Amino acid sequence: DTGVSQDPRHKITKRGQNVTFRCDPISEHNRLYWYRQTLGQGPEFLTYFQNEAQLEKSRLLSDRFSAERPKGSFSTLEIQRTEQGDSAMYLCASSPEGFSYEQYFGPGTRLTVT
Amino acid sequence: DQQVKQNSPSLSVQEGRISILNCDYTNSMFDYFLWYKKYPAEGPTFLISISSIKDKNEDGRFTVFLNKSAKHLSLHIVPSQPGDSAVYFCAASEGDSGGSNYKLTFGKGTLLTVNP
Repeated sequence: DTGVSQDPRHKITKRGQNVTFRCDPISEHNRLYWYRQTLGQGPEFLTYFQNEAQLEKSRLLSDRFSAERPKGSFSTLEIQRTEQGDSAMYLCASSPEGFSYEQYFGPGTRLTVT
Repeated sequence: DQQVKQNSPSLSVQEGRISILNCDYTNSMFDYFLWYKKYPAEGPTFLISISSIKDKNEDGRFTVFLNKSAKHLSLHIVPSQPGDSAVYFCAASEGDSGGSNYKLTFGKGTLLTVNP
């Protein structure tokens, strides 16, 4: 039974570059969430997918951010024209369909923008 | 506006004693509460949860108490073990009132250190 996986685990990029992160949820989970965690803060909600449909986006998700979940399986989060303020841990979580509040998190991708 | 607050950034206890971590919330639409544990370089791991219709939930050494009128919950760990040393996050969800999106709102976390 594999958990949520994320790739890469670490990414260092220069300001202005584009980056893309991947999340593979637990296989039978149809709900997928992206969160961002900065130093000294708890994770903050970014966006939510139910199967392939992106149903909610936080106001934290500026137009430089885009997320997809083709075919309702893995998901990607892309940040265009990165800024130093984008430096954070990006966490992916999944949960099964139905009345289920517990979310299972991946190890995260730590982004450093120089 | 922080809807979930953990006012103690850190807590240090002796092995074998009780650890009590506190959490306050302001959003009365929250109907489900969770505690997550996080080790460095790992994602948060689900620990225990409680529905707003209950006031206590117990799982082994971990017990969560909910005081809905005070908008306060606490996590008790008895007895505390050195392996419990981690950051503990309190999280809350509006559940069905937010549609199918059970997104979580987290506090800032409390670093628990259990000394041998």
